Amino acid sequence: QQQVKQSPQSLIVQKGGIPIINCAYENTAFDYFPWYQQFPGKGPALLIAIRPDVSEKKEGRFTISFNKSAKQFSLHIMDSQPGDSATYFCAASRSFDRGSTLGRLYFGRGTQLTVWP
Amino acid sequence: NAGVTQTPKFRILKIGQSMTLQCTQDMNHNYMYWYRQDPGMGLKLIYYSVGAGITDKGEVPNGYNVSRSTTEDFPLRLELAAPSQTSVYFCASSYSAGTGLGNTIYFGEGSWLTVV
Repeated sequence: QQQVKQSPQSLIVQKGGIPIINCAYENTAFDYFPWYQQFPGKGPALLIAIRPDVSEKKEGRFTISFNKSAKQFSLHIMDSQPGDSATYFCAASRSFDRGSTLGRLYFGRGTQLTVWP
Repeated sequence: NAGVTQTPKFRILKIGQSMTLQCTQDMNHNYMYWYRQDPGMGLKLIYYSVGAGITDKGEVPNGYNVSRSTTEDFPLRLELAAPSQTSVYFCASSYSAGTGLGNTIYFGEGSWLTVV
């Protein structure tokens, strides 16, 4: 069972466009929602993260929008550049899992973004 | 800084063979993880460790074993390799439980494993 559903699977935009990647979750106990960026041949790297007590967070050209009632969150990339071409993963977790001190991260299936020059 | 280092980068195994993927981190992190990544499937947690001598299963532990004898090293053992274990494996680490703002999980560059 996929704990976090991510769409679209792939996305192509022109330079300067605003790609939007969407994620949805069911577990209302999740309280941490990061986005990871992965370039070919590399491991994922944390891009930006949000907690459900805020509806939006911006870091540079990257923005997370969070809708707690709809159990959805999305990543917007403003003024996208060819260098943003990568695979993006959303994820979610609880701060603590029952019976464990590790908050397990559940990843979406990823979105392959291509930004054309 | 080296961060999280995995070896080997690429490996081809025959069905039934065994091997160990090595992982070491130089950030003095307590928490270490092994994930596998299959095309279009995201990352799945195999095993994790909260400190030397302590390990626990993740979502997909079958066919794998781990050990954590030191803070730095967290090897992943594949016993009796099967085609279903063809995947990209990522080792990762974090200072604490990697699920809070400020607690970043750092990933290695991955190990590509093919079982034929």
